[in-house]
Amino acid sequence: GQQVMQIPQYQHVQEGEDFTTYCNSSTTLSNIQWYKQRPGGHPVFLIQLVKSGEVKKQKRLTFQFGEAKKNSSLHITATQTTDVGTYFCAGPSGSARQLTFGSGTQLTVLP
Amino acid sequence: DSGVTQTPKHLITATGQRVTLRCSPRSGDLSVYWYQQSLDQGLQFLIQYYNGEERAKGNILERFSAQQFPDLHSELNLSSLELGDSALYFCASSVAPGLAARDTQYFGPGTRLTVL
Repeated sequence: GQQVMQIPQYQHVQEGEDFTTYCNSSTTLSNIQWYKQRPGGHPVFLIQLVKSGEVKKQKRLTFQFGEAKKNSSLHITATQTTDVGTYFCAGPSGSARQLTFGSGTQLTVLP
Repeated sequence: DSGVTQTPKHLITATGQRVTLRCSPRSGDLSVYWYQQSLDQGLQFLIQYYNGEERAKGNILERFSAQQFPDLHSELNLSSLELGDSALYFCASSVAPGLAARDTQYFGPGTRLTVL
């Protein structure tokens, strides 16, 4: 079945440093979604990418969808303590009826 | 606040028991999804209902079942509980029937189940 892999699993950065998490799918995706889960919280939708090579920005967050639509990345510039949490990518299954979530990258920002 | 409500917030029970988790979707959302989140498994899709009908099934155990009622709230029933069922159970809702429509899913606060 489809697999969505995410690296790294954990990342500790000093406040102000940049952070990137990478997502790779075993199959081509029609779209990819990114969610953030704060400690003790629930996943919150951040963004969806649909087009090959698409790049979207949300303030300090930059999301990319690969040309082959099998990989994606989330880059945070100049991290802040409010960025702490686990970032998940998720892609539709082959049947497009369910989301397969990556294992997530847990970001810790040290003040 | 996503607009999705889940009850109870916490549940502690013993092995072999049966529990029911409840979810109310956002106003206007017809789809409800159930996910299990455990430390070693990440977010696992269990099942989806759309307007009362089962629409997609993931890795849901036979001991687990769900339904969506006419008022669109959903219940997840977990029976013959085992220690390994301890996890966070999230409900999410969306407007459209499925991912082909590129739905955004809105997650509830979750129910933390502890099986002793």
